Amino acid sequence: EVHLVESGGGLVQPGRSLRLSCAASGFTFDDYAMHWVRQAPGRGLEWVSGVSWDSGTIGYAVSVKGRFTISRDNAENSLYLHMNSLRPEDTALYYCAKDMGGDYPWALSEFWGQGTLVTVSS
Amino acid sequence: QSALTQPASVSGSPGQSITISCTGTSRDIGDYDYVSWFQQHPGKAPKLMIYDVTSRPSGVSNRFSGSKSGNTASLTISGLQAEDEALYYCSSYRSSGTLYVFGTGTKVSVL
Repeated sequence: EVHLVESGGGLVQPGRSLRLSCAASGFTFDDYAMHWVRQAPGRGLEWVSGVSWDSGTIGYAVSVKGRFTISRDNAENSLYLHMNSLRPEDTALYYCAKDMGGDYPWALSEFWGQGTLVTVSS
Repeated sequence: QSALTQPASVSGSPGQSITISCTGTSRDIGDYDYVSWFQQHPGKAPKLMIYDVTSRPSGVSNRFSGSKSGNTASLTISGLQAEDEALYYCSSYRSSGTLYVFGTGTKVSVL
């Protein structure tokens, strides 16, 4: 059974950094692309970033490009999101999601974690 | 990055059929058959209902169907049931800029 468990969220001041983690199990992690998707309170879904199975293809939403960095450790079955220069508008529930394939074209699958909440506030 | 455009709300009576539209551009829906639809109930993670425009994951009711014409994709829910009341989001691969994009979301109400 596929399991995705996010961690690392919390309350952080504007301008500070935070690293999110996603622990994956129940599938061959290094066969699949992975993604981060966020949802601000009362708002819609926003794709944040994605990484191919071998980290050869990486993409970011315009809103986070230059501030966030996605990475993965296939040996540890883990996905990460390094978030720098955090802003109040980055406040959201951050989901980790598995892709249906290993690379382009990306298509998120039915497997999502339950999310980790990031709150950016002074 | 501009999201795909969906109506804010759609409603119907039990047993009826409703259709939700999702309008994009030639960089996403128009040129690629990689449209997905997600259902989200309050406080829950999104659930994949349709992928690759028309395909249903295992376990999803055949009351849900997808289609596409030009730059617009559609999700049809037939035989509307109370449990279908939720938010629905379309999504698509995009060939430039932001490489993946969600729709603005549609609240489905069962009257």
